[in-house]
Amino acid sequence: KNQVEQSPQSLIILEGKNCTLQCNYTVSPFSNLRWYKQDTGRGPVSLTIMTFSENTKSNGRYTATLDADTKQSSLHITASQLSDSASYICVVSGNNAGNMLTFGGGTRLMVKP
Amino acid sequence: ETGVTQTPRHLVMGMTNKKSLKCEQHLGHNAMYWYKQSAKKPLELMFVYNFKEQTENNSVPSRFSPECPNSSHLFLHLHTLQPEDSALYLCASSQETGIRNQPQHFGDGTRLSIL
Repeated sequence: KNQVEQSPQSLIILEGKNCTLQCNYTVSPFSNLRWYKQDTGRGPVSLTIMTFSENTKSNGRYTATLDADTKQSSLHITASQLSDSASYICVVSGNNAGNMLTFGGGTRLMVKP
Repeated sequence: ETGVTQTPRHLVMGMTNKKSLKCEQHLGHNAMYWYKQSAKKPLELMFVYNFKEQTENNSVPSRFSPECPNSSHLFLHLHTLQPEDSALYLCASSQETGIRNQPQHFGDGTRLSIL
């Protein structure tokens, strides 16, 4: 069964600090992995996508990594800001005919001043 | 502004009411999706439409009835709902379901509460 597990479920950090969110998946065959940010009261917005051949990709202060061998991804946030407070959702796409997505449960990040 | 607009943003209804959720996308996409997001649970895919044709019904109870009159509009008709149906209902769109590596663009959802 395809699954995506995220850790931690929730995280509180001080403004200016760094943090790393984890995503483990069992989706096979694998096509790509995407990180979404969901602000409170809003829909998810795509931050970055990782394909099989990519190990790391940055989007401003967000850096995603992918290890396709161990089926793990991480999202590193540098110099956190109050506006980073949100849920971060890891979504894996399978390389099959339906191309359906498997969603993780998300990590709820709170950045405190 | 994501290009996907959902109305209403909030809805409170009784179990015997009939209501509809509306989704409109201005991105020229051909695929549209309904998701249910409950607290502390992953997003659950409900329905998928590709070029106005329903391609996925993820074992959703018949009290939820989708309608896709054209590629830009998607409705979710609700009737005789249960308290456990209270959740955030998200609409999304993408270029089409067969293209990989494309993001889904989400609306801001309708927060539904069943009394």
